[in-house]
Amino acid sequence: NAGVTQTPKFQVLKTGQSMTLQCAQDMNHEYMSWYRQDPGMGLRLIHYSVGAGITDQGEVPNGYNVSRSTTEDFPLRLLSAAPSQTSVYFCASSSASETQYFGPGTRLLVL
Amino acid sequence: DQQVKQNSPSLSVQEGRISILNCDYTNSMFDYFLWYKKYPAEGPTFLISISSIKDKNEDGRFTVFLNKSAKHLSLHIVPSQPGDSAVYFCAASSLTGGGNKLTFGTGTQLKVEL
Repeated sequence: NAGVTQTPKFQVLKTGQSMTLQCAQDMNHEYMSWYRQDPGMGLRLIHYSVGAGITDQGEVPNGYNVSRSTTEDFPLRLLSAAPSQTSVYFCASSSASETQYFGPGTRLLVL
Repeated sequence: DQQVKQNSPSLSVQEGRISILNCDYTNSMFDYFLWYKKYPAEGPTFLISISSIKDKNEDGRFTVFLNKSAKHLSLHIVPSQPGDSAVYFCAASSLTGGGNKLTFGTGTQLKVEL
């Protein structure tokens, strides 16, 4: 089991560019989530999914889109990157009755 | 509005002594609480959890205490080891409200010194 994998590990974008952060899990978990971690802010929930085809907004969804076409994958899309989206992004997955397993993170810098 | 608060950004403890990390919450709907440990350049890893029907949960050197009336929980690490040096996040969720949406505190950097 690879667990939760995230790509890329690090990305630099210019303001206005778009990109997709990839997240995959091989544990057949129904729940998947995206969090961002900023200094002094802890981790904040961006979007989450309770199963394929079902997504919902978290605490800080603006500027991000998600979709869940398969159980395994939960990509996070930035349509027009802004410097305020400079952060470390973590994907997590869990089954209904378990705690969340986190990926290693993607460090994003928006210039 | 910070619903989960960790008021100590850092804590330094000698090896072998007890580490006590504190967490306060404001949302009465929270009924499940977790502690995650995070090393630099890695994702958070689950450490221990407690349901609101309990006031204590123990796992080896780690014990979590929950005081519902005070909306306070704490993580005790005994004895502390240098490998425990990491950032510790307190998190809370509402199992009745959909379970897997975690609200995190801002973290406490624990340093265990030799």
